[in-house]
Amino acid sequence: GNSVTQMEGPVTLSEEAFLTINCTYTATGYPSLFWYVQYPGEGLQLLLKATKADDKGSNKGFEATYRKETTSFHLEKGSVQVSDSAVYFCALSASNDYKLSFGAGTTVTVRA
Amino acid sequence: DGGITQSPKYLFRKEGQNVTLSCEQNLNHDAMYWYRQDPGQGLRLIYYSQIVNDFQKGDIAEGYSVSREKKESFPLTVTSAQKNPTAFYLCASSPLAVQETQYFGPGTRLLVL
Repeated sequence: GNSVTQMEGPVTLSEEAFLTINCTYTATGYPSLFWYVQYPGEGLQLLLKATKADDKGSNKGFEATYRKETTSFHLEKGSVQVSDSAVYFCALSASNDYKLSFGAGTTVTVRA
Repeated sequence: DGGITQSPKYLFRKEGQNVTLSCEQNLNHDAMYWYRQDPGQGLRLIYYSQIVNDFQKGDIAEGYSVSREKKESFPLTVTSAQKNPTAFYLCASSPLAVQETQYFGPGTRLLVL
């Protein structure tokens, strides 16, 4: 079946540090890949997405590249801010499916 | 503004009681979803609906029920058969096409008294 594996947290960083959150997936065919962000007490918001191999999704300084050869979609940001403190979820949607499969989420805390 | 609303924000359930969580969207989306979120776990799909008057079980449907009488609305009932209902419940919607982005509501936190 389809599945997503994320690096475990929590991750604690200082402001302006580099952030990377690893995400790998298992799926047949050509899934679409997503990163969602959840701020405390809120629902999920789409951060970025990629629909085919070698696509790079980007938003708010975050980037992730769809790597089919390594089945990965790692999230990166060059300089984090306190406002980036949140839970980040990697997810996939299989090529013939409406549903999303989520990773367990990674909690990121950025200290001033 | 288009979006998804969930109510209430917090809900308390007594032993043996059924409770209903509301989800409304004005995005004109055909598909709607209910997820459960527990600490340290990803989201798990409870039920989903692709069209009015039709819905399918997700991975953890036992102890829950839904209805889809209107395109805009997809209420979730947590029945007394759900023995561990304490969780954060999230509703989402999307256009009816594969691999579409899902848009989420703000969530309802259900607590057991």
